[in-house]
Amino acid sequence: GENVEQHPSTLSVQEGDSAVIKCTYSDSASNYFPWYKQELGKRPQLIIDIRSNVGEKKDQRIAVTLNKTAKHFSLHITETQPEDSAVYFCAATETGKSTFGDGTTLTVKP
Amino acid sequence: GAVVSQHPSWVICKSGTSVKIECRSLDFQATTMFWYRQFPKQSLMLMATSNEGSKATYEQGVEKDKFLINHASLTLSTLTVTSAHPEDSSFYICSARDAAGGGETQYFGPGTRLLVL
Repeated sequence: GENVEQHPSTLSVQEGDSAVIKCTYSDSASNYFPWYKQELGKRPQLIIDIRSNVGEKKDQRIAVTLNKTAKHFSLHITETQPEDSAVYFCAATETGKSTFGDGTTLTVKP
Repeated sequence: GAVVSQHPSWVICKSGTSVKIECRSLDFQATTMFWYRQFPKQSLMLMATSNEGSKATYEQGVEKDKFLINHASLTLSTLTVTSAHPEDSSFYICSARDAAGGGETQYFGPGTRLLVL
């Protein structure tokens, strides 16, 4: 089955700095890669996604890049704000079924 | 946007009792729903895939007789934890896929926190 590895497990940045979270996957059949943000005690919320026919996607301060050959994709958050602090999960999806990374706890210090 | 509700939001029960959790898609039809379990500070562990009108597909290591799943309509899936024990205490989250247009995005419910005494 699919195996997703996510790094780092924790990330602390100063407000205004950029944050990058990286994920690798094993199954070349995976074709959809969403990123979720989960605040403490709340549901995961989709923040951005990318499909395998696209290399990069941007939505305001958030961007995702995908390298199909290397089987890795990354989340980039620029101009971080304290409200970006949360746990972020990547996922690799094949035939509708998602495998999640272990999560990255992002802390943005004011 | 797509909204998924879950009920109850939290439940405390005695060991040996059964607990039913409902997952509803409120403004879209979901042919497929997923049930996850999440331990504190850990990732989402897929338990099973629930398909409307057919049997659920369970992940390896998940006891289907312990975690009964029913997906009787396009907007409702239920997970019943039978004869719950303290080790079943966890955060259970469902998600639903919008059937329209073959969408792959999963929309998550708010989760149900189960505590078995």
